[in-house]
Amino acid sequence: RKEVEQDPGPFNVPEGATVAFNCTYSNSASQSFFWYRQDCRKEPKLLMSVYSSGNEDGRFTAQLNRASQYISLLIRDSKLSDSATYLCVVNGEYGNKLVFGAGTILRVKS
Amino acid sequence: DTAVSQTPKYLVTQMGNDKSIKCEQNLGHDTMYWYKQDSKKFLKIMFSYNNKELIINETVPNRFSPKSPDKAHLNLHINSLELGDSAVYFCASSQDPTGLGNTQYFGPGTRLLVL
Repeated sequence: RKEVEQDPGPFNVPEGATVAFNCTYSNSASQSFFWYRQDCRKEPKLLMSVYSSGNEDGRFTAQLNRASQYISLLIRDSKLSDSATYLCVVNGEYGNKLVFGAGTILRVKS
Repeated sequence: DTAVSQTPKYLVTQMGNDKSIKCEQNLGHDTMYWYKQDSKKFLKIMFSYNNKELIINETVPNRFSPKSPDKAHLNLHINSLELGDSAVYFCASSQDPTGLGNTQYFGPGTRLLVL
């Protein structure tokens, strides 16, 4: 089983739609969770950290479910500029490194 | 100002050659990383240095040798390049040596193609 698994998509949605991605992780001892965004042929950039109680940043909401070992990202009112690959990131088995999922592709169309 | 910079951006070379990629960060961070992103888009850590000392060394062929002359620089030298080395190599830095508590900032990537 991969350490971090994501649905690769692509998710094709119209502007204004709400879209949600899930990610599962295998290390039950993981303590740090993030969503990174990677535009085509660019470097990954931190979108948001994911906290135990869930957190929101504008149109983006992240949730963590430790019991089921998954994290989610909800994007409301999608914009064309949200089109990117969203990478789920978790600290790995030995706690001292980040493990990246392969990413979920989002395409927002007008 | 570019926070994390890498050179070169593109590298096309023949099998068997030796090449180097350079990375510099001006964020004042103590920790730097090398990641490899293959054609399937998996981003995997290769090495991590904290204040010039190696702290993470994943299962990477010993043809890959990182060098950190100071905490602002982390270079990657690759000997005897193979076809399977073709990938995008990202340098990153963070303040936290584990990278867990702080954001990792990535460089623009070096696209390596081995022919």
